[in-house]
Amino acid sequence: EPEVTQTPSHQVTQMGQEVILRCVPISNHLYFYWYRQILGQKVEFLVSFYNNEISEKSEIFDDQFSVERPDGSNFTLKIRSTKLEDSAMYFCASHRAGPSPLHFGNGTRLTVT
Amino acid sequence: DQQVKQNSPSLSVQEGRISILNCDYTNSMFDYFLWYKKYPAEGPTFLISISSIKDKNEDGRFTVFLNKSAKHLSLHIVPSQPGDSAVYFCAASARGYSGGSNYKLTFGKGTLLTVNP
Repeated sequence: EPEVTQTPSHQVTQMGQEVILRCVPISNHLYFYWYRQILGQKVEFLVSFYNNEISEKSEIFDDQFSVERPDGSNFTLKIRSTKLEDSAMYFCASHRAGPSPLHFGNGTRLTVT
Repeated sequence: DQQVKQNSPSLSVQEGRISILNCDYTNSMFDYFLWYKKYPAEGPTFLISISSIKDKNEDGRFTVFLNKSAKHLSLHIVPSQPGDSAVYFCAASARGYSGGSNYKLTFGKGTLLTVNP
């Protein structure tokens, strides 16, 4: 069964550094998302992406964040200058057209020290 | 922001019995609801969904019931198995049936289900 794959599984970075989290969505999916879950809190929406542009973003997704689909398979989340509070599990998700369920990757645990 | 609430942080059930997980929502615009299961160190795995035009959807051992007037949904697992032990998330969207557009999910905090052998 096709899967959403995310790399790396764990990323440790120093405050102020840039990080790029990578995702390969399921190949016939058209809509792409990033969610995050801070330890002990809810899974929360960050951004959705369709047709090579952002469709919607949350208040969390400020100017420090950006997303890109540089080729036909990868979908990346960049945090320009990480803060301690960016430490969380970041989940990539995708779905095909229509009201179909989101399929999530296993996440990248980002630790900012 | 408590638009989706799962008021029971944990539930313990005997193997073979029914597990009932509950979820309440406040946003009347929600029209598509999903249940996800999550094991530690993994992403949420889709279980079952229901649109607001239905009040029940069944898939094998899993049944989701939706009560729109009460803004309440529940997931029934019967019979429960030890492998069902995981955190279960209820999620809702306001764009489930807008025909092809993207949508974002609002999640509850999750309920840890433990099925004892």
